[in-house]
Amino acid sequence: NAGVTQTPKFRILKIGQSMTLQCTQDMNHNYMYWYRQDPGMGLKLIYYSVGAGITDKGEVPNGYNVSRSTTEDFPLRLELAAPSQTSVYFCASSYSRGSSGGGETQYFGPGTRLLVL
Amino acid sequence: AQSVTQLDSQVPVFEEAPVELRCNYSSSVSVYLFWYVQYPNQGLQLLLKYLSGSTLVESINGFEAEFNKSQTSFHLRKPSVHISDTAEYFCAVRRRNTGKLIFGQGTTLQVKP
Repeated sequence: NAGVTQTPKFRILKIGQSMTLQCTQDMNHNYMYWYRQDPGMGLKLIYYSVGAGITDKGEVPNGYNVSRSTTEDFPLRLELAAPSQTSVYFCASSYSRGSSGGGETQYFGPGTRLLVL
Repeated sequence: AQSVTQLDSQVPVFEEAPVELRCNYSSSVSVYLFWYVQYPNQGLQLLLKYLSGSTLVESINGFEAEFNKSQTSFHLRKPSVHISDTAEYFCAVRRRNTGKLIFGQGTTLQVKP
């Protein structure tokens, strides 16, 4: 299994441009997540999904959009890039049994480093 | 609301010395607790977790953490560190039956020869 894969690894955007960060997992996990990591700030949850067709906001969703049309893919869309979105973005996935869930391990991708100038 | 505080942003230590990375959390409900490790230029990996039962949990590479409910802490310890333990360590908390993991700010462990 490849686990969680993310593309691209690094990208430079100009202010106002748009782009999609790709995330794919091959572990048949139902939950998927997008985080951003800023220096000294830990990871902040942007959006998450509990299954295909279902998404919900995390702590910092403004400026981002997501979709989950398949179990495997969870792309993150930036419509109008701003310097404040310069960060490292991590996708993660986990398998939860629903009502008894929450204690499962999240598996992280290698990250996408985004620079907005 | 939940929050996680890692009390030290950087911890320098010499090889073979003991280390403790401190983590406190705030939550009014039962939670699951995690420690993740991030090696340079990599994603996060689970180090250990507390779900229920014994309050002392261990990892395969010699780390351990103890859940202290009265002090709302989940400190990470290792009796003798190696150069290869140099990494950033994140404490995280998750309310039971939810999908959201709340991370602390991270602690950089720098092991010197």
